[in-house]
Amino acid sequence: AIRMTQSPSSLSASTGDRVTITCRASQYISTYLAWYQQKPGKAPKVLISSASTLESGVPSRFSGSGSGTDFTLTISYLQSEDFATYYCQQFYSYPRTFGQGTKVEIK
Amino acid sequence: EVQVVDSGGGLVQPGGSLRLSCGASGFTFSSYWMSWVRQAPGKGLEWVANIRQDGNEMYYVDSVKGRFRISRDNAMNSLYLQMNSLRDEDTAVYYCARDSSSGLGFMDVWGKGTTVTVSS
Repeated sequence: AIRMTQSPSSLSASTGDRVTITCRASQYISTYLAWYQQKPGKAPKVLISSASTLESGVPSRFSGSGSGTDFTLTISYLQSEDFATYYCQQFYSYPRTFGQGTKVEIK
Repeated sequence: EVQVVDSGGGLVQPGGSLRLSCGASGFTFSSYWMSWVRQAPGKGLEWVANIRQDGNEMYYVDSVKGRFRISRDNAMNSLYLQMNSLRDEDTAVYYCARDSSSGLGFMDVWGKGTTVTVSS
């Protein structure tokens, strides 16, 4: 199985900050990568697909980049509603696998 | 409104069985791959299984192979997960999810989740 490794596991930031989360795949996955946001007690919500495609309704402050094995999720101007846990997920091969998550907390 | 509603969770003893259900509405269920994803308490997301539109192709994570079976009834707009030989480590919130309309392997519609607790 392809292992997805996110860093950092958690971070503290303030409203208005620029935040970057990285995701590394243990092998080549082209751009078959999605990013999800999950708030406590809620289901995940997809933000980005195919590494850089912003899903419908997702604010433009979210962006994704990367290909091959290294990927980045950037929140350009952190808002209060962005404090959550973020997961990457590869869909290059089965089994589909998620990163361990990055918790974005209020500083 | 496009939605999926998962149900069927509960408390079960180790070695027991449980069947989860997921009802879909607001979209053409028979046109989509469907998935189950779980999340153990305080842990991250784990993809469990998915099934093709016609029900004739399925994939599973290794840890559930031979114990879990995913199925669907397109006439009833329903997805199922039959879980047998349950273990403590199967304790989790189980989410039903729709695979994206683009045919790519990410999930764009999620249920609220149903909780499965395996304990004696």
